[in-house]
Amino acid sequence: AQTVTQSQPEMSVQEAETVTLSCTYDTSESDYYLFWYKQPPSRQMILVIRQEAYKQQNATENRFSVNFQKAAKSFSLKISDSQLGDAAMYFCAYRRGSYSGTYKYIFGTGTRLKVLA
Amino acid sequence: DGGITQSPKYLFRKEGQNVTLSCEQNLNHDAMYWYRQDPGQGLRLIYYSQIVNDFQKGDIAEGYSVSREKKESFPLTVTSAQKNPTAFYLCASSTDRVQETQYFGPGTRLLVL
Repeated sequence: AQTVTQSQPEMSVQEAETVTLSCTYDTSESDYYLFWYKQPPSRQMILVIRQEAYKQQNATENRFSVNFQKAAKSFSLKISDSQLGDAAMYFCAYRRGSYSGTYKYIFGTGTRLKVLA
Repeated sequence: DGGITQSPKYLFRKEGQNVTLSCEQNLNHDAMYWYRQDPGQGLRLIYYSQIVNDFQKGDIAEGYSVSREKKESFPLTVTSAQKNPTAFYLCASSTDRVQETQYFGPGTRLLVL
């Protein structure tokens, strides 16, 4: 069975600095998708970034980028120029590829990010 | 605007009572999901449905039931068999394309009186 692990329950970053959130996963499959979601105090889940396992290039979305290490099964999120609005819970998620016939997602336990002014 | 709505925002359940949480989407998505969120445990999958009139148990289905009679709707019933129902419940949906992400509703907070 696939698992997703976020080993940092809480992280802090100074405003305008850079922070990296860690995520590791366990799978025997080669085709899958990885996601980072943000959950602010409103509790609305928002997609931050997505990575396809077959792509070697790391995904980027403005100030957000990932370091995808497929062999190490690692998928970290880097937030550059941190802003107060980045303060939230961040969840890493895994989804199996198209051949699996299932749309099931697996989530990590989350990392709470605090941004210090 | 397209999106997912959940109601009510807060729900109170008495002992021995069944309650139903509503989830509606107008995104024309085939797949819908119910998650339970507890502090320190992330999101745990209760049930999911990939197509109308079909659904599968997730990791913590005991004490819950669902139906999928319409593409737009996926209600969740928390039965009296669920002994610890106090939690935040999130509904999500996605297309049938594997690369597509899930979109989430605003959630329902269930409290036991």
